[in-house]
Amino acid sequence: KQEVTQIPAALSVPEGENLVLNCSFTDSAIYNLQWFRQDPGKGLTSLLLIQSSQREQTSGRLNASLDKSSGRSTLYIAASQPGDSATYLCAVPPGGGADGLTFGKGTHLIIQP
Amino acid sequence: DTAVSQTPKYLVTQMGNDKSIKCEQNLGHDTMYWYKQDSKKFLKIMFSYNNKELIINETVPNRFSPKSPDKAHLNLHINSLELGDSAVYFCASSQEARTGQYFGPGTRLTVT
Repeated sequence: KQEVTQIPAALSVPEGENLVLNCSFTDSAIYNLQWFRQDPGKGLTSLLLIQSSQREQTSGRLNASLDKSSGRSTLYIAASQPGDSATYLCAVPPGGGADGLTFGKGTHLIIQP
Repeated sequence: DTAVSQTPKYLVTQMGNDKSIKCEQNLGHDTMYWYKQDSKKFLKIMFSYNNKELIINETVPNRFSPKSPDKAHLNLHINSLELGDSAVYFCASSQEARTGQYFGPGTRLTVT
């Protein structure tokens, strides 16, 4: 059974810092890994999708890496801004079938102005 | 245009009632899902539905039943609502497991 762990559970940093969010998963037989952002009381916004054959994906100030063999992914946020404050979730689908994503519990990020 | 939409956004009801939440996607995806986010904000898969094949998470009570009138819709019916059903329910869709999922805005269900 796939398990996803995110570290840290919460993070508060001053504006402008570069930061790294960590995600680990127990079963490396994954198609891809997806990073989401959730604002309070809102839905999930997909940030980045990394296929199992890829090492990293970039979108603006966000960079996500994937090391499938070690079961790890990181989300790097450059030059953080107060608008980046949100909960960040990583999720992986099972190796096959339509069983839905397994989510981590998220990292609650606060960027102090 | 909204890719995945849900109605209602908020639903307040009493224990024992039966309610439904609707979900529609205009992405042409083949698979749709329902997730539950509990009070601790943890998201768990409830159902996935693909080409009339339903896969159910074994922990979901049989009071919950998804119904798909067509490929673009997957509605969630809940019978005999209980206090513990209070949560945010998210609908999602994907073309296939390799292509990532798109989520709706969520429906906050409160059972009193």
